[in-house]
Amino acid sequence: KAGVTQTPRYLIKTRGQQVTLSCSPISGHRSVSWYQQTPGQGLQFLFEYFSETQRNKGNFPGRFSGRQFSNSRSEMNVSTLELGDSALYLCASSLVHIAGGPYEQYFGPGTRLTVT
Amino acid sequence: KQEVTQIPAALSVPEGENLVLNCSFTDSAIYNLQWFRQDPGKGLTSLLLIQSSQREQTSGRLNASLDKSSGRSTLYIAASQPGDSATYLCAVFSNRDDKIIFGKGTRLHILP
Repeated sequence: KAGVTQTPRYLIKTRGQQVTLSCSPISGHRSVSWYQQTPGQGLQFLFEYFSETQRNKGNFPGRFSGRQFSNSRSEMNVSTLELGDSALYLCASSLVHIAGGPYEQYFGPGTRLTVT
Repeated sequence: KQEVTQIPAALSVPEGENLVLNCSFTDSAIYNLQWFRQDPGKGLTSLLLIQSSQREQTSGRLNASLDKSSGRSTLYIAASQPGDSATYLCAVFSNRDDKIIFGKGTRLHILP
């Protein structure tokens, strides 16, 4: 069974640009969550999608948005990039909605975004 | 607001020793707690998941305990090996915040 895949793995963007990251969950998983990981803040929850609907959102500005498609694949978009957006962006999928557990999250390898 | 703390931030131990990693959380209203391992530049690998009604979970050389009332969890690693070197993160699903909150991790180095 294929794991969670994320594309691209590495990305370099300039301040002010926008970026779209993609996440393909494990087959059959309908919940996809996104996280930002930085050395200073650690892992922080961005949002979760379940059955194409945003189920929950973390404390990030509106520049961070996402969506989920009918095949459960998810995309995350960051507009007007800032230097502080440089981070490892991880997505995780689970079989059931994370509030409807028992759940277990399976993580992808992440996308390393560098903003210059 | 739920906060998760992991102490120490880094730990080095000789190969073969047993060790304990600690995780504490401020709000006992959790759905479950999960321990992860992260290798440098990689994603997270789930190690153990403990439901709030459970006291412990075991997988191979790993044993995780949960004391919800005191807001503590421990991850016990028996007979450590160099391959165990990684960052270990704990995460709680907070009922009140309705989201998963991670600690900042313990960076473990097993000395050959």
